[in-house]
Amino acid sequence: AQSVTQLDSQVPVFEEAPVELRCNYSSSVSVYLFWYVQYPNQGLQLLLKYLSGSTLVKGINGFEAEFNKSQTSFHLRKPSVHISDTAEYFCAVIPTINTGGFKTIFGAGTRLFVKA
Amino acid sequence: SAVISQKPSRDICQRGTSLTIQCQVDSQVTMMFWYRQQPGQSLTLIATANQGSEATYESGFVIDKFPISRPNLTFSTLTVSNMSPEDSSIYLCSVEGGEVGELFFGEGSRLTVL
Repeated sequence: AQSVTQLDSQVPVFEEAPVELRCNYSSSVSVYLFWYVQYPNQGLQLLLKYLSGSTLVKGINGFEAEFNKSQTSFHLRKPSVHISDTAEYFCAVIPTINTGGFKTIFGAGTRLFVKA
Repeated sequence: SAVISQKPSRDICQRGTSLTIQCQVDSQVTMMFWYRQQPGQSLTLIATANQGSEATYESGFVIDKFPISRPNLTFSTLTVSNMSPEDSSIYLCSVEGGEVGELFFGEGSRLTVL
C-alpha cells in the first residue's frame, strides 16, 4: 500500500518570496509522483509529474519539484510566488505495477496563501 | 487532455433526500472515477465506473448509498442517497488521460446537506 504525507497543512508567504511545499511518500513498490493544484471553486489540475529520468521536473506556472528516492520525498518549489498562486496543492502517487489496482493516493493537501 | 463537465456545480439539499450528479467527458474513456473531498480534507476515491459493468467501490462505500450509472463511454452519474449532513462534500468526477497515471478532473459538485 502507498501513503502520502504533506508536512504542512498551510503555508503563508509574501508575494515574490520563494516557497517549498513538502511531500513524503511511503510505498513498497516504485511509484509515479504528481502534484496537482486546486484553485478556489475549481477541480484539480496537474501541475507536474515525475515518471522517470531526471529527478528535477518542471511544471506549469514556474513550479518545479525534485524526486529524492533515498528520502522518499517530492517537494514542490517556486522561486517567486504570485498572488494568483494562492490555492490548495496536492501531492499524489500511483504504483508503477499493479498491487491491487492502479489507484492514485492523494496527500491531505497544503493550502498556499500568498500575501501582498 | 479531457474536458469534464459536472452538474450541478453546487446544491443545498434536505436530510433524507437524494441527489444525482452528472459527469460528461468530451472524449471516450474506459474508466471514470468518483472522488469525495470533505471540507478541509484530501480526496477519497468512492468508486471506479467502467462502461457496461457494475462500478467497483472502495472500502467504506456501498452501492446502496452511492449508486453509479455508466451508460456510455462519455457519461456517468453518481447518486448520493438518503443524505445526511455528513455527506456534505465536494464530489469530483475524474478520468485518466495523457501519460500514465495523469488524472483530469471536473470542477466538482459542492453539496450541502441541511
